[in-house]
Amino acid sequence: SQQGEEDPQALSIQEGENATMNCSYKTSINNLQWYRQNSGRGLVHLILIRSNEREKHSGRLRVTLDTSKKSSSLLITASRAADTASYFCATEKAAGNKLTFGGGTRVLVKP
Amino acid sequence: GAVVSQHPSWVICKSGTSVKIECRSLDFQATTMFWYRQFPKQSLMLMATSNEGSKATYEQGVEKDKFLINHASLTLSTLTVTSAHPEDSSFYICSAAGDTWNTEAFFGQGTRLTVV
Repeated sequence: SQQGEEDPQALSIQEGENATMNCSYKTSINNLQWYRQNSGRGLVHLILIRSNEREKHSGRLRVTLDTSKKSSSLLITASRAADTASYFCATEKAAGNKLTFGGGTRVLVKP
Repeated sequence: GAVVSQHPSWVICKSGTSVKIECRSLDFQATTMFWYRQFPKQSLMLMATSNEGSKATYEQGVEKDKFLINHASLTLSTLTVTSAHPEDSSFYICSAAGDTWNTEAFFGQGTRLTVV
């Protein structure tokens, strides 16, 4: 069953703008991961944030985690047309890399 | 990062035939592999957990007799879709885990299956 819910389901922005998407989950987790998927392609790992971490950065990406609210956010700053993709959060509840994915956010960055 | 290779990347088969998809960990030993399915414009749903040398664990609602999983070595797991039907058309993707936890999962490139 789906653990994570993401919002918005779809997001359309202009190049240069920031994109923010949120993920909520229901149970305690070891970590939460964000992935990008271009249409019809495999998954690209973006960031992993552990349950004892609150914020992580990687280039133009910023991820926050609030375990008290069971939620995470992914911020893409200064978006580019190449950022157009679907973004998924995934939670690992217990050791072993078994992931439960959220519904995903489809991001369209218009040039 | 570690490399997981999935083959084939796409396959078209006739209804009623079987299709085998391979998932290989190229530079590490994967004690556990996971198989996911993704329908168009939907998220990934876990189908089964494949453990080397033992039977796979299937998620609720996944037919184990239809989706045969074999994890015969620490570097190879296979998913066979038996007696495929058009409703089995989907994107199938595997991931592999080593002995460490709380680290990123390593995904294959995925296999687009079309049953005609």
